[in-house]
Amino acid sequence: EAEVAQSPRYKITEKSQAVAFWCDPISGHATLYWYRQILGQGPELLVQFQDESVVDDSQLPKDRFSAERLKGVDSTLKIQPAELGDSAMYLCASSPLGGNTEAFFGQGTRLTVV
Amino acid sequence: DAKTTQPPSMDCAEGRAANLPCNHSTISGNEYVYWYRQIHSQGPQYIIHGLKNNETNEMASLIITEDRKSSTLILPHATLRDTAVYYCIVSGFGATNKLIFGTGTLLAVQP
Repeated sequence: EAEVAQSPRYKITEKSQAVAFWCDPISGHATLYWYRQILGQGPELLVQFQDESVVDDSQLPKDRFSAERLKGVDSTLKIQPAELGDSAMYLCASSPLGGNTEAFFGQGTRLTVV
Repeated sequence: DAKTTQPPSMDCAEGRAANLPCNHSTISGNEYVYWYRQIHSQGPQYIIHGLKNNETNEMASLIITEDRKSSTLILPHATLRDTAVYYCIVSGFGATNKLIFGTGTLLAVQP
Protein backbone atom coordinates (compact mmCIF):
# COMPACT_ATOMS: atom_id res chain seq x y z
CA GLU A 1 0.00 0.00 0.00
CA ALA A 2 1.35 3.44 -0.95
CA GLU A 3 2.44 5.62 1.94
CA VAL A 4 3.59 9.15 2.62
CA ALA A 5 7.26 8.95 3.56
CA GLN A 6 8.85 11.39 6.00
CA SER A 7 12.37 11.66 7.27
CA PRO A 8 13.89 11.81 9.72
CA ARG A 9 11.50 10.25 12.25
CA TYR A 10 13.22 12.01 15.14
CA LYS A 11 15.45 15.05 15.27
CA ILE A 12 17.16 16.78 18.17
CA THR A 13 18.72 20.13 17.45
CA GLU A 14 20.12 23.00 19.43
CA LYS A 15 18.45 26.36 19.60
CA SER A 16 19.51 28.70 16.75
CA GLN A 17 20.54 25.83 14.49
CA ALA A 18 18.94 25.06 11.13
CA VAL A 19 16.82 21.95 10.65
CA ALA A 20 15.08 20.44 7.63
CA PHE A 21 12.38 17.83 7.15
CA TRP A 22 11.65 15.89 3.99
CA CYS A 23 8.36 14.48 2.69
CA ASP A 24 7.66 12.21 -0.27
CA PRO A 25 3.90 12.10 -0.96
CA ILE A 26 1.97 9.29 -2.56
CA SER A 27 2.70 9.17 -6.29
CA GLY A 28 0.26 11.25 -8.31
CA HIS A 29 -1.06 13.26 -5.38
CA ALA A 30 -1.25 16.90 -6.39
CA THR A 31 -1.92 18.36 -2.94
CA LEU A 32 0.67 18.31 -0.17
CA TYR A 33 0.23 19.63 3.36
CA TRP A 34 2.64 20.37 6.18
CA TYR A 35 1.22 20.43 9.70
CA ARG A 36 2.74 21.14 13.11
CA GLN A 37 1.33 19.37 16.14
CA ILE A 38 2.23 20.48 19.63
CA LEU A 39 1.70 17.86 22.32
CA GLY A 40 -1.94 17.75 23.42
CA GLN A 41 -3.22 19.85 20.52
CA GLY A 42 -4.64 19.10 17.09
CA PRO A 43 -2.48 19.46 13.97
CA GLU A 44 -2.04 23.06 12.79
CA LEU A 45 -1.80 23.64 9.04
CA LEU A 46 1.44 25.42 8.14
CA VAL A 47 1.44 25.28 4.36
CA GLN A 48 -0.54 23.70 1.54
CA PHE A 49 0.78 23.06 -1.97
CA GLN A 50 -1.13 22.34 -5.15
CA ASP A 51 1.52 20.80 -7.40
CA GLU A 52 4.48 23.18 -6.99
CA SER A 53 2.42 26.24 -6.04
CA VAL A 54 1.69 27.41 -2.53
CA VAL A 55 -2.08 27.53 -1.98
CA ASP A 56 -1.99 28.66 1.64
CA ASP A 57 0.87 29.59 3.94
CA SER A 58 -0.97 32.04 6.15
CA GLN A 59 0.06 30.21 9.35
CA LEU A 60 3.69 29.66 8.36
CA PRO A 61 6.08 31.81 10.47
CA LYS A 62 7.89 33.12 7.44
CA ASP A 63 10.67 34.81 9.37
CA ARG A 64 12.11 31.41 10.23
CA PHE A 65 10.17 28.75 8.31
CA SER A 66 10.33 28.00 4.61
CA ALA A 67 8.78 25.27 2.48
CA GLU A 68 9.32 24.25 -1.09
CA ARG A 69 8.03 21.68 -3.54
CA LEU A 70 10.13 22.47 -6.57
CA LYS A 71 9.02 19.81 -9.04
CA GLY A 72 5.59 19.27 -7.56
CA VAL A 73 6.60 15.95 -6.04
CA ASP A 74 8.59 15.79 -2.80
CA SER A 75 8.83 18.68 -0.38
CA THR A 76 11.17 20.14 2.23
CA LEU A 77 10.26 22.17 5.29
CA LYS A 78 13.07 24.18 6.86
CA ILE A 79 13.43 26.05 10.13
CA GLN A 80 16.24 28.54 10.61
CA PRO A 81 16.98 29.39 13.33
CA ALA A 82 15.18 26.84 15.49
CA GLU A 83 13.64 28.04 18.76
CA LEU A 84 12.62 26.08 21.85
CA GLY A 85 8.95 26.63 21.00
CA ASP A 86 9.38 24.79 17.70
CA SER A 87 9.55 21.46 19.52
CA ALA A 88 6.64 19.52 18.05
CA MET A 89 5.61 16.79 15.64
CA TYR A 90 5.78 17.87 11.99
CA LEU A 91 3.33 15.97 9.82
CA CYS A 92 3.16 15.76 6.06
CA ALA A 93 0.04 14.67 4.20
CA SER A 94 -1.00 14.32 0.58
CA SER A 95 -4.26 13.95 -1.30
CA PRO A 96 -5.24 13.55 -4.92
CA LEU A 97 -7.31 16.71 -5.14
CA GLY A 98 -7.16 18.87 -2.05
CA GLY A 99 -9.42 19.34 0.93
CA ASN A 100 -12.45 17.53 -0.37
CA THR A 101 -10.77 14.17 -0.72
CA GLU A 102 -9.13 11.76 1.66
CA ALA A 103 -5.73 12.95 2.89
CA PHE A 104 -3.02 10.43 3.73
CA PHE A 105 -0.61 11.29 6.52
CA GLY A 106 2.96 10.24 7.12
CA GLN A 107 4.30 9.12 10.49
CA GLY A 108 5.72 12.55 11.18
CA THR A 109 9.04 13.96 12.37
CA ARG A 110 9.37 14.53 16.11
CA LEU A 111 11.52 17.64 16.62
CA THR A 112 13.09 18.48 19.96
CA VAL A 113 14.90 21.80 20.28
CA VAL A 114 17.30 22.00 23.23
CA ASP B 1 -14.32 27.09 6.92
CA ALA B 2 -16.97 26.35 9.51
CA LYS B 3 -15.86 25.61 13.07
CA THR B 4 -16.67 22.39 14.89
CA THR B 5 -17.33 21.61 18.55
CA GLN B 6 -16.60 18.21 20.07
CA PRO B 7 -16.54 16.91 23.65
CA PRO B 8 -12.95 16.64 24.89
CA SER B 9 -13.26 13.02 25.98
CA MET B 10 -15.56 10.00 26.00
CA ASP B 11 -15.45 6.45 27.30
CA CYS B 12 -16.88 3.36 25.66
CA ALA B 13 -16.98 -0.29 26.69
CA GLU B 14 -15.25 -2.75 24.38
CA GLY B 15 -17.73 -4.38 21.99
CA ARG B 16 -20.29 -1.63 22.36
CA ALA B 17 -21.07 1.08 19.83
CA ALA B 18 -19.17 4.35 20.22
CA ASN B 19 -21.17 7.43 19.23
CA LEU B 20 -19.05 10.56 18.83
CA PRO B 21 -20.96 13.83 18.39
CA CYS B 22 -19.89 16.95 16.53
CA ASN B 23 -21.59 20.32 16.24
CA HIS B 24 -21.02 22.43 13.13
CA SER B 25 -23.85 24.96 13.26
CA THR B 26 -22.20 27.39 10.81
CA ILE B 27 -21.66 24.83 8.04
CA SER B 28 -22.48 26.12 4.58
CA GLY B 29 -24.22 24.28 1.79
CA ASN B 30 -21.12 23.19 -0.09
CA GLU B 31 -19.08 22.07 2.91
CA TYR B 32 -18.42 18.43 3.74
CA VAL B 33 -18.04 16.81 7.15
CA TYR B 34 -14.88 14.74 7.55
CA TRP B 35 -13.76 12.47 10.36
CA TYR B 36 -10.15 11.53 11.06
CA ARG B 37 -8.61 9.78 14.01
CA GLN B 38 -5.14 9.81 15.48
CA ILE B 39 -3.78 6.91 17.46
CA HIS B 40 -1.02 7.87 19.86
CA SER B 41 2.25 8.84 18.14
CA GLN B 42 0.91 8.19 14.65
CA GLY B 43 -0.28 10.49 11.87
CA PRO B 44 -4.03 11.08 11.52
CA GLN B 45 -6.04 8.50 9.59
CA TYR B 46 -9.05 9.24 7.41
CA ILE B 47 -12.26 7.53 8.51
CA ILE B 48 -15.22 8.82 6.50
CA HIS B 49 -16.81 11.93 5.05
CA GLY B 50 -20.23 13.09 3.88
CA LEU B 51 -22.21 16.03 2.55
CA LYS B 52 -25.81 15.50 3.63
CA ASN B 53 -26.63 11.83 3.31
CA ASN B 54 -25.65 9.26 5.88
CA GLU B 55 -22.56 7.31 4.91
CA THR B 56 -21.15 3.94 5.90
CA ASN B 57 -17.88 2.20 5.17
CA GLU B 58 -15.91 -0.66 6.66
CA MET B 59 -14.71 1.48 9.55
CA ALA B 60 -17.70 3.53 10.64
CA SER B 61 -21.03 5.19 9.93
CA LEU B 62 -21.62 8.93 9.66
CA ILE B 63 -25.04 10.31 10.54
CA ILE B 64 -25.66 13.94 9.52
CA THR B 65 -28.77 15.71 10.81
CA GLU B 66 -31.24 17.05 8.26
CA ASP B 67 -30.28 20.66 8.99
CA ARG B 68 -26.60 19.63 8.76
CA LYS B 69 -25.75 21.47 11.95
CA SER B 70 -24.48 18.38 13.69
CA SER B 71 -23.26 14.87 12.98
CA THR B 72 -22.40 11.64 14.79
CA LEU B 73 -19.65 9.20 14.01
CA ILE B 74 -20.58 5.65 14.97
CA LEU B 75 -18.06 2.88 15.54
CA PRO B 76 -20.42 -0.13 15.70
CA HIS B 77 -18.29 -2.48 17.79
CA ALA B 78 -15.48 -0.59 19.49
CA THR B 79 -12.23 -2.42 20.24
CA LEU B 80 -9.24 -1.40 22.33
CA ARG B 81 -7.46 -0.46 19.11
CA ASP B 82 -10.08 2.23 18.51
CA THR B 83 -8.72 4.25 21.44
CA ALA B 84 -7.62 7.47 19.75
CA VAL B 85 -8.36 11.16 19.30
CA TYR B 86 -11.21 11.64 16.82
CA TYR B 87 -11.37 14.85 14.80
CA CYS B 88 -14.47 16.24 13.10
CA ILE B 89 -13.58 18.67 10.30
CA VAL B 90 -15.70 20.78 7.99
CA SER B 91 -14.16 21.54 4.62
CA GLY B 92 -15.39 22.87 1.32
CA PHE B 93 -15.16 21.42 -2.16
CA GLY B 94 -12.19 22.05 -4.39
CA ALA B 95 -8.49 21.43 -4.68
CA THR B 96 -7.55 24.44 -2.57
CA ASN B 97 -9.77 23.73 0.38
CA LYS B 98 -8.01 23.14 3.65
CA LEU B 99 -8.26 20.49 6.36
CA ILE B 100 -8.32 22.45 9.63
CA PHE B 101 -8.13 20.31 12.76
CA GLY B 102 -9.60 21.26 16.15
CA THR B 103 -8.76 19.58 19.44
CA GLY B 104 -10.92 16.49 18.84
CA THR B 105 -12.44 13.92 21.20
CA LEU B 106 -10.27 11.44 23.05
CA LEU B 107 -12.16 8.15 22.92
CA ALA B 108 -11.03 5.66 25.54
CA VAL B 109 -12.29 2.14 24.92
CA GLN B 110 -12.41 0.23 28.21
CA PRO B 111 -12.00 -3.55 28.47
